Amino acid sequence: GENVEQHPSTLSVQEGDSAVIKCTYSDSASNYFPWYKQELGKRPQLIIDIRSNVGEKKDQRIAVTLNKTAKHFSLHITETQPEDSAVYFCAASNYWGNDMRFGAGTRLTVKP
Amino acid sequence: DTAVSQTPKYLVTQMGNDKSIKCEQNLGHDTMYWYKQDSKKFLKIMFSYNNKELIINETVPNRFSPKSPDKAHLNLHINSLELGDSAVYFCASSQVRAPGNEQFFGPGTRLTVL
Repeated sequence: GENVEQHPSTLSVQEGDSAVIKCTYSDSASNYFPWYKQELGKRPQLIIDIRSNVGEKKDQRIAVTLNKTAKHFSLHITETQPEDSAVYFCAASNYWGNDMRFGAGTRLTVKP
Repeated sequence: DTAVSQTPKYLVTQMGNDKSIKCEQNLGHDTMYWYKQDSKKFLKIMFSYNNKELIINETVPNRFSPKSPDKAHLNLHINSLELGDSAVYFCASSQVRAPGNEQFFGPGTRLTVL
């Protein structure tokens, strides 16, 4: 089955700096790679996703890159703000997105 | 009008009891899920139901049984509760007939077994 590893487990940055979170996956059949943000006491919510036929996707301050050959993908957050503080989860799934395996999460703290 | 709702939000019970958590989605999705999030925040899939049919059943003890009366509901029944069952349980739903399938999560149910 799919195994997703996520690093680092905690990340602290100064407001305005960039943050990068990296994930690797094991199943070459995985096709869909979403990123979820979970604020304290809240539900996980999708912030960006990417499919295996795309190498990079950007949405304002967040971007995701995918290297299918190396089986790794990364989340990049630029110009971080205190409200970016949360736990971020990467995930990998099949084409239909119904067999999602999550990484262990990264607790991001943005210091004002 | 909440997309995915769960009840109760908090559940405190004694070891050995049987309890249920209810989940409803009003998004018209065809697939629903149950996840367990433990104290270390690790999020793990337990069950996946598509059109009332179980399609994924991870290595979950058979004390846990999902029940789907219709496409919009997926309830979780837990028998003979144990201390290790304490966690936050999230219900989610998605549409898997086409690609691009965000899973929408419910607010979670925090289960505490004493």
